Amino acid sequence: ETGVTQTPRHLVMGMTNKKSLKCEQHLGHNAMYWYKQSAKKPLELMFVYNFKEQTENNSVPSRFSPECPNSSHLFLHLHTLQPEDSALYLCASSPTVQGTYNEQFFGPGTRLTVL
Amino acid sequence: GQNIDQPTEMTATEGAIVQINCTYQTSGFNGLFWYQQHAGEAPTFLSYNVLDGLEEKGRFSSFLSRSKGYSYLLLKELQMKDSASYLCAVRGSGGYNKLIFGAGTRLAVHP
Repeated sequence: ETGVTQTPRHLVMGMTNKKSLKCEQHLGHNAMYWYKQSAKKPLELMFVYNFKEQTENNSVPSRFSPECPNSSHLFLHLHTLQPEDSALYLCASSPTVQGTYNEQFFGPGTRLTVL
Repeated sequence: GQNIDQPTEMTATEGAIVQINCTYQTSGFNGLFWYQQHAGEAPTFLSYNVLDGLEEKGRFSSFLSRSKGYSYLLLKELQMKDSASYLCAVRGSGGYNKLIFGAGTRLAVHP
């Protein structure tokens, strides 16, 4: 257990559905991240939040909509996804976004399949 | 562009030593991380290097040469549970703790 939980662990959705992924961290961190991990590809950073404010959007399509109501919770709202969006979506947190060490702690991920 | 290269797969024998290499070309450098990821699980932190040299942590060591854009992860006294993917990640300059990951090296440890 890394102190970062994600729900659901598995999700199957149609291209017209709307769903949300949830991430919660119990580490007292102030920065949270969404990553996408496709098969045999590197982890891709999607969004960064620092003290609830979005500080990075890595050119992510608008069909992915993040929400960070407080420093402990992060959501990823999904709508009208494409089959190529099927991947493992990982959430991470770190104490802040600055500093030399600043290890990121990852959740177990949500395995998303878009039909 | 930004590029992190590491071998796709490696195999090794239980009890042996294995070295996983990582080369990088990034715009700026502010540290290199190694993570371990078992299938279906979260990546977990193994090591961090920001200065040249070797960092040792039990059976795992990590080396960095900034001038060569090169790092390696050394795993000693391999155990079956070390079978996993090993991810190399570089933090560039510019703030926001943005990590650029390699595709990972899948290590299989055999008896």
